[in-house]
Amino acid sequence: AQSVSQHNHHVILSEAASLELGCNYSYGGTVNLFWYVQYPGQHLQLLLKYFSGDPLVKGIKGFEAEFIKSKFSFNLRKPSVQWSDTAEYFCAVPGRGSQGNLIFGKGTKLSVKP
Amino acid sequence: KAGVTQTPRYLIKTRGQQVTLSCSPISGHRSVSWYQQTPGQGLQFLFEYFSETQRNKGNFPGRFSGRQFSNSRSEMNVSTLELGDSALYLCASNRLSGGAYNEQFFGPGTRLTVL
Repeated sequence: AQSVSQHNHHVILSEAASLELGCNYSYGGTVNLFWYVQYPGQHLQLLLKYFSGDPLVKGIKGFEAEFIKSKFSFNLRKPSVQWSDTAEYFCAVPGRGSQGNLIFGKGTKLSVKP
Repeated sequence: KAGVTQTPRYLIKTRGQQVTLSCSPISGHRSVSWYQQTPGQGLQFLFEYFSETQRNKGNFPGRFSGRQFSNSRSEMNVSTLELGDSALYLCASNRLSGGAYNEQFFGPGTRLTVL
């Protein structure tokens, strides 16, 4: 069965620090991977996605993620975080049966200290 | 283009009551999915509707139901509310054109509190 695990529940960084959030997946089909972000009081929105091709994926706001098939990982990275990156980050894979079914990890709350 | 809208944004109910939440997808999007978000369980898929038909369903009891109208708007209903139903209910819409996977766009959610 498909599943996603995110290792870090809460990460606290100072501005300009580098960020890496872990995501491991278990998925039986063609690998599609997503990172979503939920800023305080805002909608859940897509940061980036991997479907195929280059395993290093660039997303919005300077985020990137690397798909490593041998490790079943899709870690999210940003070289230098800003206070405005404070949010909750979710890794996701498609669930069974239809595109409208996403399986999310439990999320990682990122707090950036100014 | 307007985003996904959900009404109401906040709702307070008591145990045993029922509740109906509404979602209007992005214009042209025909698929609507519902998710429940709680601190303990995270985001969990409830169901998905496409062309007024339920395409997929998550592991929730039959008290949770939904429907979709011909204009793609969707409602979800929870009957006999329990304290554990307190959550943020998110709606997402998807263009669902054939072929490649399409992005889901999420609404702001309805915050349901059951007392």
